[in-house]
Amino acid sequence: GENVEQHPSTLSVQEGDSAVIKCTYSDSASNYFPWYKQELGKGPQLIIDIRSNVGEKKDQRIAVTLNKTAKHFSLHITETQPEDSAVYFCAAFLGSQGNLIFGKGTKLSVKP
Amino acid sequence: DTAVSQTPKYLVTQMGNDKSIKCEQNLGHDTMYWYKQDSKKFLKIMFSYNNKELIINETVPNRFSPKSPDKAHLNLHINSLELGDSAVYFCASSLGQEGTEAFFGQGTRLTVV
Repeated sequence: GENVEQHPSTLSVQEGDSAVIKCTYSDSASNYFPWYKQELGKGPQLIIDIRSNVGEKKDQRIAVTLNKTAKHFSLHITETQPEDSAVYFCAAFLGSQGNLIFGKGTKLSVKP
Repeated sequence: DTAVSQTPKYLVTQMGNDKSIKCEQNLGHDTMYWYKQDSKKFLKIMFSYNNKELIINETVPNRFSPKSPDKAHLNLHINSLELGDSAVYFCASSLGQEGTEAFFGQGTRLTVV
């Protein structure tokens, strides 16, 4: 089955700096890679996603890159703000399993 | 309007009891899920239903029984609760079984004492 590794587990940055979170997946048949943000006491919420036929996608301060050959995908947040502080999850969707497999999460802290 | 709503938000109960968590989505989605999030924040799929039919049943003890009366509802019933069942349980839904955005509820924090 699919396995998703996520690094780092914790990340602390200064406000205004960039943050990068990396994930790797094991099954080359995975074709959809979403990123979720989970704030304290809330459910995960999609912030950006990318499909296997695209290498990069950007939405304002956040971007995701996908390297299918290396089976890596990364989340980039620029000009971080304190409200970006949360736990971020990457995930991979494998059609044969029919569900999202999540990474173990990254706790991002943005210091003002 | 809340897209995916689950009740209750908090549930404290004694070992051995039976409890249910309810979930409803008003998005018109065909697929619904239950996820368990442990104390280390790890999110793990438990069940997936598509149009009221069970699609995925991960290695979950048979004390956990999902029930989908219609495609807008997926309830989770847990028998003989154990200490290790303490976690946050999330209901989610998506448009279909293919890779699409999953919308999560706010979670139910279950504490077994």
